[in-house]
Amino acid sequence: DTAVSQTPKYLVTQMGNDKSIKCEQNLGHDTMYWYKQDSKKFLKIMFSYNNKELIINETVPNRFSPKSPDKAHLNLHINSLELGDSAVYFCASSQGLISYNEQFFGPGTRLTVL
Amino acid sequence: DAKTTQPPSMDCAEGRAANLPCNHSTISGNEYVYWYRQIHSQGPQYIIHGLKNNETNEMASLIITEDRKSSTLILPHATLRDTAVYYCIVRDKAAGNKLTFGGGTRVLVKP
Repeated sequence: DTAVSQTPKYLVTQMGNDKSIKCEQNLGHDTMYWYKQDSKKFLKIMFSYNNKELIINETVPNRFSPKSPDKAHLNLHINSLELGDSAVYFCASSQGLISYNEQFFGPGTRLTVL
Repeated sequence: DAKTTQPPSMDCAEGRAANLPCNHSTISGNEYVYWYRQIHSQGPQYIIHGLKNNETNEMASLIITEDRKSSTLILPHATLRDTAVYYCIVRDKAAGNKLTFGGGTRVLVKP
């Protein structure tokens, strides 16, 4: 009965490769997000989608391309991986764009680029 | 969104109340105060939020000063499972639902 799930949990890959992280939520929410937590533990938003439309893009390199096939899924594809992309990536969801609605976070995907 | 200032760390005895302060002196009238926490290796978890009135739920209480420039999160009876990093966030409802996390307070609950 996981609310927000991500796969894989761990991802180790070489520089220059292309990889995807998948996110699914079964809460019926229509807004989903990707956050990045770097080695210093700072959490920063990358993207948000509402009803499959991009709402927030926080100056993320265009090597990162989110894809939302439907409201329940928001996948993150990363091209030409760099060492600095190593981080934990969290997916989250909330109901609508109303700011006081809480966001539910997934367990995270730890990406290590060698 | 207004910036927040939190102590980097604090210890708390198990079973006692934990009072976590947060300063947000530049908060504007339409910004809410939110608290999230992140237990080691997990995703952040929502705790509580408020605008100007004190709030209480099953997890915690939120006390906001009358001038709204600071707030305190209270965990009434801390348990070992409350050990986590606690984030105080202020957010404008027009901010497109973006959460801006600072450094947070690392709370260690000791037996």
